Amino acid sequence: QVQLVQSGAEVKKPGSSVRVSCRASGDSFSGFALSWVRQAPGQGLEWMGGITPIFETRNYAQKFQGRVVIAADESTSTVYMELRSLRSEDSAVYYCARGGGIGGDWFDPWGQGTLVTVSS
Amino acid sequence: DIQMTQSPSSLSASVGDRVTITCRASQSIDNYLNWYQKKSGKAPRLLIYAASRLPGGVPSRFSGSGSGTDFTLTISSLQPEDFATYYCQQSYSTLYTFGLGTRLEIK
Repeated sequence: QVQLVQSGAEVKKPGSSVRVSCRASGDSFSGFALSWVRQAPGQGLEWMGGITPIFETRNYAQKFQGRVVIAADESTSTVYMELRSLRSEDSAVYYCARGGGIGGDWFDPWGQGTLVTVSS
Repeated sequence: DIQMTQSPSSLSASVGDRVTITCRASQSIDNYLNWYQKKSGKAPRLLIYAASRLPGGVPSRFSGSGSGTDFTLTISSLQPEDFATYYCQQSYSTLYTFGLGTRLEIK
């Protein structure tokens, strides 16, 4: 059973970048996809993008194209999400979740979440 | 992108009530529909996948149905721990999208 552990909370200035990590344990890392989903205060869940390390494929929501990069380090079973040109609206809890590489997929399990605060 | 519309956006109910939440897709998504429970300060929890399948550990009072564009999540007898926000999510397209959520509150 895979477990996902995310990096800690971040405070960033507008215009900067943030990188959040998600380390997988308990199962073969390269055999599944990992996605990033965020929830801004008072808002719903929003899928940002995902990666399938074994195929080195990525897909991103159109809203984040050009501003987000998702990468994987198979040697450490860690996936990273970097979001650039941060603005206040990017303040949210960011979750990684297993799944999202193929049609018919679902997200389970989830990491514990990482709070990112964007403030001047 | 495929749009997911949930209704109602909020709902008040009592312990023991039967509750139904609806999710409609902007196009046919076969049975590629998942449901999640979200509580404040906690990560989302998968409740239903492929429209009607329960993952291990999810109580049998939760059920899902539907195909094509119209889906429902039913809680047969509400328990105190079920008061949360529920989201549907389509996986027909790999540009995954969620509904806006249904907040289930105690009456």
